[in-house]
Amino acid sequence: GAVVSQHPSRVICKSGTSVKIECRSLDFQATTMFWYRQFPKQSLMLMATSNEGSKATYEQGVEKDKFLINHASLTLSTLTVTSAHPEDSSFYICSARALTSGYNEQFFGPGTRLTVL
Amino acid sequence: AQSVSQHNHHVILSEAASLELGCNYSYGGTVNLFWYVQYPGQHLQLLLKYFSGDPLVKGIKGFEAEFIKSKFSFNLRKPSVQWSDTAEYFCACYGNNRLAFGKGNQVVVIP
Repeated sequence: GAVVSQHPSRVICKSGTSVKIECRSLDFQATTMFWYRQFPKQSLMLMATSNEGSKATYEQGVEKDKFLINHASLTLSTLTVTSAHPEDSSFYICSARALTSGYNEQFFGPGTRLTVL
Repeated sequence: AQSVSQHNHHVILSEAASLELGCNYSYGGTVNLFWYVQYPGQHLQLLLKYFSGDPLVKGIKGFEAEFIKSKFSFNLRKPSVQWSDTAEYFCACYGNNRLAFGKGNQVVVIP
């Protein structure tokens, strides 16, 4: 199946700093990528939908100026958490959409554990 | 927008017992349905998916799920669980160009 990678796998940063997370589709091109956030023992919450070459679409309640998303190429999307605070500590998961057998399917990255001190 | 509901968030059972996890979705259009598993400390893995055709779908590790359109359900089953099936299981529904997840089932299998 299609492979999605994320880097870094875990990051610890100080409050007030910015952190960039990369999401890559390794063996396919993804015009659409998704960013999710997962709190401990909870489900995945969609943060935003990232379309290559255009602005991301954010879900209600997600601050677009805090969570900057860039989808500069068909294989790379980045999420930058700006001026991070401890409440931003979470597990961030990206997903890339591919067309398989005529159907849209999403493939997930391994996630990035962010800890803000 | 579509929504997915999963019941019995915590499930504890013994090895060799049968497992069934319920999933109900609400969406008026054509749906694609998925079950994902997340083992402790690991990322999401696809267990199985339904796009069309045979409503009984077989996935990896002995799991299967049945799509019942009249009940808006896509329940996951495994006849005999193993300790290694301890994980969180998420049902998801694709529609409106997005994937909506249920809240998940935490399954603990006791050896």
